Formats: sequence, structure tokens, C-alpha cells
Amino acid sequence: KNQVEQSPQSLIILEGKNCTLQCNYTVSPFSNLRWYKQDTGRGPVSLTIMTFSENTKSNGRYTATLDADTKQSSLHITASQLSDSASYICVVSANNQGGKLIFGQGTELSVKP
Amino acid sequence: NAGVTQTPKFQVLKTGQSMTLQCAQDMNHNSMYWYRQDPGMGLRLIYYSASEGTTDKGEVPNGYNVSRLNKREFSLRLESAAPSQTSVYFCASSESPGASGELFFGEGSRLTVL
Repeated sequence: KNQVEQSPQSLIILEGKNCTLQCNYTVSPFSNLRWYKQDTGRGPVSLTIMTFSENTKSNGRYTATLDADTKQSSLHITASQLSDSASYICVVSANNQGGKLIFGQGTELSVKP
Repeated sequence: NAGVTQTPKFQVLKTGQSMTLQCAQDMNHNSMYWYRQDPGMGLRLIYYSASEGTTDKGEVPNGYNVSRLNKREFSLRLESAAPSQTSVYFCASSESPGASGELFFGEGSRLTVL
């Protein structure tokens, strides 16, 4: 069964600290992996999209890594800001089933001053 | 540039009532989608339209109908609302269907069915 599991479910960090969110997937055949940021009460916004051949992709203070062999991805946030408080969703796309997207449950990040 | 616009943002219905959620995109995208988001679960696809004139069922289509009115607009209809349909609904669009297209989401429509 195609699944996307994220950990931790929630995380609290102090402003200025770094953190890493994890995503494990069992989707096959793999097409790409995306990270989205969803602010409270808003729609998800894309941070990165990585294909099979990409190991790392950055978007400002956000850096995503992908290990297609172990089917793991991480999202690293550097020098966190209060505005980073949000839910971060990992989404994996299958290369069949019409490009179906499988969504993780999200990691709820809270950055405290 | 508005992107993806959903209306209404909030709605309360009684069981058995009907309503339509509206979605419009101004990015000239071919594909449009309706998702629902429930606590503790990932977004689930209700229906999608790969291109104007086509619609297909997603993962959880029961109790819903859709209409791709034109290239810009994609509506979701609840014919007889049930409490299990209490959720946050997101419309999304992409340039192309399938795995490669980046998704752009609306702000969501929060529906409560009493």
C-alpha cells in the first residue's frame, strides 16, 4: 500500500534554532517528492519538488534532502523564525495511477520566542 | 494575481441540505482538483478534472458531484450533506495533470454539517 509517514507529529523549538522534519514513504513507482508549508487557516504552499535524481534542494532557509534508496526525505529549517510556525506536509507522487499524490499527515511546528 | 479563489470560506449546513463550493483559477491551468482535509489525516482527493470537459473520481467521491464549468472554474456540490462531510475543502490547480505538475491551492472552505 502506498503510504507517506511523517515524524514527529509535532515539534516545539525556540526562535533561531534549527530543526529537521522526517518523511518516509512506500510509494512505488516513485515520481517526485514535494514539501508543502501550510499556515493555520490557509492553503498549502509548495516549498520544494524533488525528482528521483535530486538529492538536495533548497528554498531559502529550507533545505530538503531525498534518499530514493531508503525512501526517506528530510526538511531542514535553518535559523527558525516565528513565521515558520506551520504544518509541513510531505507529498509523494506515484509514476502510475495517473500521477496520484499521496499526502502525509503533516508535522506541526511551533516556533517560540 | 489571485491564483486559486474559493467561495464561500465558511459554511454551516444542516443534515440533508445541499450546497455548492465554487473554485476559480486565473493561471490558465488545465487541471483542477478538490481535496478534503480532516484532523490527523492527509489531504484526500475527492474529484479532479485533468482538462476542460473531463472529470474523474478520486479517493473519496461518495456524496459529492463536480462540474468543470469552463477552464477557469471547477465546482463541488454536496446534494444531501451529512455530518461526515464536515471538513475543510481545498481546491487546487496545476498546469498539467499527473505527477509532474506543481499544485497551487486555494485558501480553503470550512464546512460544518450539523
